[in-house]
Amino acid sequence: DQQVKQNSPSLSVQEGRISILNCDYTNSMFDYFLWYKKYPAEGPTFLISISSIKDKNEDGRFTVFLNKSAKHLSLHIVPSQPGDSAVYFCAASKDQAGTALIFGKGTTLSVSS
Amino acid sequence: DVKVTQSSRYLVKRTGEKVFLECVQDMDHENMFWYRQDPGLGLRLIYFSYDVKMKEKGDIPEGYSVSREKKERFSLILESASTNQTSMYLCAGGGWQRDRSNYGYTFGSGTRLTVV
Repeated sequence: DQQVKQNSPSLSVQEGRISILNCDYTNSMFDYFLWYKKYPAEGPTFLISISSIKDKNEDGRFTVFLNKSAKHLSLHIVPSQPGDSAVYFCAASKDQAGTALIFGKGTTLSVSS
Repeated sequence: DVKVTQSSRYLVKRTGEKVFLECVQDMDHENMFWYRQDPGLGLRLIYFSYDVKMKEKGDIPEGYSVSREKKERFSLILESASTNQTSMYLCAGGGWQRDRSNYGYTFGSGTRLTVV
């Protein structure tokens, strides 16, 4: 049973446009959500996180939105750049003090110039 | 800058061999994790540890064991390697940032293990 779902395996966007990556979760106990970016043959790199007490968090070009009632979060990248091309993983945990992260299967973003 | 270091980037082992994957963190974090990444399956949790000598099974512990004798080191052991254990293995450390504002997870660069 998949608790964190990324239903789009891939997304293609033109440089300068907005990229929107989506993530759904089923476990209402999750209270901390993170997005990671991963290049081939490298470990995941932390991008941005959001606590369940917030509905939005921004960091530069990256914004994460959380809709608790819909159990849905999204990552917006504006403007998209070719260097953003990577696999993006959504992750969740039940305890902000650090239980194991549960990951989605990832979405491969391709940004063309 | 905090670091999680995995001892090998690439490994090739034979079926039936005992394999040790080593991970060291310099963040003084209590929590450490081992994941494997496979195409189309995302990152799946194998084992994690909340403290020295403590371990908990993740979602796919079969065929693996772990060792945490020191806080900074978390080892993943494949008792008898099999071809279905060919994968990218990722170690992570987890802990509060210095200002306690966020809990962070830092990953190592990964070990690409091929079992032949």
